[in-house]
Amino acid sequence: SQTIHQWPATLVQPVGSPLSLECTVEGTSNPNLYWYRQAAGRGLQLLFYSIGIDQISSEVPQNLSASRPQDRQFILSSKKLLLSDSGFYLCAWGWNSGNTIYFGEGSWLTVV
Amino acid sequence: RKEVEQDPGPFNVPEGATVAFNCTYSNSASQSFFWYRQDCRKEPKLLMSVYSSGNEDGRFTAQLNRASQYISLLIRDSKLSDSATYLCVVNYGGSQGNLIFGKGTKLSVKP
Repeated sequence: SQTIHQWPATLVQPVGSPLSLECTVEGTSNPNLYWYRQAAGRGLQLLFYSIGIDQISSEVPQNLSASRPQDRQFILSSKKLLLSDSGFYLCAWGWNSGNTIYFGEGSWLTVV
Repeated sequence: RKEVEQDPGPFNVPEGATVAFNCTYSNSASQSFFWYRQDCRKEPKLLMSVYSSGNEDGRFTAQLNRASQYISLLIRDSKLSDSATYLCVVNYGGSQGNLIFGKGTKLSVKP
């Protein structure tokens, strides 16, 4: 069966500090991978979407970036965090031929 | 513009009640539809897909009305464990990158 894990689960970072969230998927190959953000009182916002290694689409302009160095690894990064980057970050995966996705446990980021 | 609208609730119901949520979507070209469940401070989890003919999974029934562009979720015999936020999700492009999530409807089932 397929599993998805992301870490860290919770972090508190000062404004201007860097960020790295990591996500891995097991039990499948060549999945589509996603990063979403869910801010308080708001819906899920798609940040990045990847259909393969080094193939990443950015959905919104921001100070975040994503990388996919391996088939089942997806990393979300920032060089300098802003207060507005606080939120619940979710990694997700989906089958290439499928039309829905499955989420990791999420990472709570508080920028102070 | 592609939007998915839900009543945010909260819906406060007693155990055993039947509760229904509706969701409207703006893009008539939307191709597939889902309900996710999200517990407090947890990730969303797929509850069920929504088919044109309607579908049922135990106490949960999902229906799609393409003409009116709305989706519904009916929960019968509510349990305390049903308390969560229910997200309506529409795929308007046939690939996962085109998923639009509603903001969710919060359900609280009371003893």
